[in-house]
Amino acid sequence: DQQVKQNSPSLSVQEGRISILNCDYTNSMFDYFLWYKKYPAEGPTFLISISSIKDKNEDGRFTVFLNKSAKHLSLHIVPSQPGDSAVYFCAAAPAGTYKYIFGTGTRLKVLA
Amino acid sequence: KAGVTQTPRYLIKTRGQQVTLSCSPISGHRSVSWYQQTPGQGLQFLFEYFSETQRNKGNFPGRFSGRQFSNSRSEMNVSTLELGDSALYLCASSFGGTGLSPLHFGNGTRLTVT
Repeated sequence: DQQVKQNSPSLSVQEGRISILNCDYTNSMFDYFLWYKKYPAEGPTFLISISSIKDKNEDGRFTVFLNKSAKHLSLHIVPSQPGDSAVYFCAAAPAGTYKYIFGTGTRLKVLA
Repeated sequence: KAGVTQTPRYLIKTRGQQVTLSCSPISGHRSVSWYQQTPGQGLQFLFEYFSETQRNKGNFPGRFSGRQFSNSRSEMNVSTLELGDSALYLCASSFGGTGLSPLHFGNGTRLTVT
């Protein structure tokens, strides 16, 4: 049972435009959500987080939105840069645990 | 501040053997988690240790085990290796306190079972 889903395996965006990566979850106990970027042959790099008490969190070019009623979160990257080309993972954990469940990832390609 | 260090980076083993992977967390981090990454499966949670105790466990067979030492360093052991165990094994550390904090990953150990 895939509790965290990233239904788009890949996404291509022109440089300078907005990239929107989506993530859906099924477990209503999830309380804390993370986004990671991963380059080949490296471990995932933490980008941004959001807790269930908020619906938006911004950090520079990255904004995460959380819609608890729809059990949906999204990562917006504005403006997109070629260096953003990587695989992006969302992850979620229930309150009080460190059992983070990851999605299967979305490969973002930013075209110059 | 040094990041999460995993050793070795690459490992080739034969089916039936056992293997031990090592992880040194970021200084001050007391929680260490292990994940298996295979193509198409994303990152699968193995287990999480905090203060030398396994606090959370994923749905992997008992051949997968781990431990954490008093300095927060952790090891993961896989016994009776199977071909399907070939994967990238990632270790991540975090503060581990009552409030959730992000995981910080190492670059992984690539295990190949032949």
